[in-house]
Order: sequence, then C-alpha cells, then structure tokens
Amino acid sequence: DVKVTQSSRYLVKRTGEKVFLECVQDMDHENMFWYRQDPGLGLRLIYFSYDVKMKEKGDIPEGYSVSREKKERFSLILESASTNQTSMYLCASTIGAGFQETQYFGPGTRLLVL
Amino acid sequence: SQQGEEDPQALSIQEGENATMNCSYKTSINNLQWYRQNSGRGLVHLILIRSNEREKHSGRLRVTLDTSKKSSSLLITASRAADTASYFCATGPRANFNKFYFGSGTKLNVKP
Repeated sequence: DVKVTQSSRYLVKRTGEKVFLECVQDMDHENMFWYRQDPGLGLRLIYFSYDVKMKEKGDIPEGYSVSREKKERFSLILESASTNQTSMYLCASTIGAGFQETQYFGPGTRLLVL
Repeated sequence: SQQGEEDPQALSIQEGENATMNCSYKTSINNLQWYRQNSGRGLVHLILIRSNEREKHSGRLRVTLDTSKKSSSLLITASRAADTASYFCATGPRANFNKFYFGSGTKLNVKP
C-alpha cells in the first residue's frame, strides 16, 4: 500500500512565525503536491514537484515556498504565517510522469494561525 | 474554470438506499476521478475513468462518463453508515497535462 505521511495532524502557530509542514511518501513517486483545502473552495494547488530539487508554482503560491531535497520528502514552508493561511493542508503524490494519474493523499494538517 | 462542479452539494439518505452524485465540467478531459474524504482526513482515490470509457465498476461503486454532456455520475449502491463522507470529482484537462482540478464536493450523510 502506498503511504503518504504528514508530520503533524494539528498545528497552532502565531502570526509571523515560520512554519514547516513535512510530507513523506514511501513508494518512490516522482510527483508530489501541496494543496490547501478551504470550505466552499475545494482543493487548490500551492506547489508541486516532479523531481528532486525541482518545483513549480501551482495556482496559489503566494506566501509559500517548498523544498524537495530527497525524492521521498516534500516540505511546505510558510515564511511568515498569517491568519489567512489558516487552513487544511494536504500533501499528495503520483507515480510516473503523469500529473493526472491517481493521487495518493496524506491525512492532512489542520493549521490554525492566531 | 475547468473545475468539476458536483451536484448536489449535500445528500442525506437512509442506510440501504442508493446514492447518486453528479459532476459536470467545462472542457475536454483525459480522465475523471472520484475521491472520498472522511471528515478531517485526507482524500482517498475511488475510481479513475478515462475519456474513452463510458462506465466503470468497483464493488458497490458505479461511475459513468458522458463526454458529450461533459458530465459524470457516481452511484453508491446499498449505502452504509460508513459511506458518510464528502465525495469529490477531479478532472485532468486534455489541453494541459500539468493541471488537475478538484470540485467542491458532495457531502453524503447515510443515516443508520
């Protein structure tokens, strides 16, 4: 079974803090993604990575950066957290070069920024 | 937007009944997928149907795709309380292989 894990289920941070969200997949998948999920807005893509050290902006990259130093690990960084970044963050991965293949999701991190 | 739009937004049924959810989209696709999300959890992939397929089954799930109407439906037969979740369709547009869009979901409540 494919397993995608995220470092925290719940996080509470203060405005201005630097926040790291980590995602690890154990199936040697090339592509990894970070989404945020907000009520009524569905899932929106923040960043994706198709290889180690490679990254591409998604639809809402502002206020975020990412790091992929190893194939299995994809980190999302909030350089200076703001209250409008309070959300559910979901990591996903896909096998192969296809962006549109089955996406395997982690359990999510619910972030509250005070 | 290419986003799939699910209909209805919410659905409440009794255990044992069938549940049908619909998804409409706007542009040509390579494939359409359905995912389930239990409350506060990640999404779980249910079925992928490609643009040249019309129907697919997996256990109690049946998915149809009508590319002429740009719509898909997900049928869950003999529903169980454990099927209570949100269901999302996701589309891969033909015009851009580096895009993948999720809808806002249908919230299904199956009453025991």
